[in-house]
Amino acid sequence: DSGVTQTPKHLITATGQRVTLRCSPRSGDLSVYWYQQSLDQGLQFLIQYYNGEERAKGNILERFSAQQFPDLHSELNLSSLELGDSALYFCASSGLVGGGYLSTDTQYFGPGTRLTVL
Amino acid sequence: AQSVAQPEDQVNVAEGNPLTVKCTYSVSGNPYLFWYVQYPNRGLQFLLKYITGDNLVKGSYGFEAEFNKSQTSFHLKKPSALVSDSALYFCAVRPPPYSGAGSYQLTFGKGTKLSVIP
Repeated sequence: DSGVTQTPKHLITATGQRVTLRCSPRSGDLSVYWYQQSLDQGLQFLIQYYNGEERAKGNILERFSAQQFPDLHSELNLSSLELGDSALYFCASSGLVGGGYLSTDTQYFGPGTRLTVL
Repeated sequence: AQSVAQPEDQVNVAEGNPLTVKCTYSVSGNPYLFWYVQYPNRGLQFLLKYITGDNLVKGSYGFEAEFNKSQTSFHLKKPSALVSDSALYFCAVRPPPYSGAGSYQLTFGKGTKLSVIP
């Protein structure tokens, strides 16, 4: 158990809908990363937050957004869903207090949320 | 831009034999290198990392990896494979802090499926 929790485990929805994925980082970790794993694209970085602020963006669509709250949990919002958005979405955390967002700390991954868009 | 190549989609090895999962990388500056393992329907589990120091890094579950700067490789090894090692293995790279990179997220290879045959 990495200490990173994600809910829900599975999500089935229809095209055009909006969903929210939730992540709680390991205790003390300030950085949260979101990744998407799909068969055709592999594991791709979406976005990083550090202590509530956006720090880096990867291949994240404009239909997707995220935020990190004062209690450090994070949410990934996916809207106007398309069939191609079906994937496994992982959250990872790192960066104990004092490590900074450039920390060398290892990223620890949650169990993921499997999103199926029908 | 940083990149990771895992040249083998699948590696088959007999139980008790040594195993190697290959990884080569491209990154500016000194790389931070990682191996993760993913079991079916599970998240990514951290195995080991190379930041600096000894080129042979030891990690969880008896795995080790050898960093070779001249060949830009970071191959994962285990002296004696177990059936329970069968899983998907990912190599990942990130730039070091203060290297001028725009972001410090992990870039993953496509993954190598390891099958250990009883």
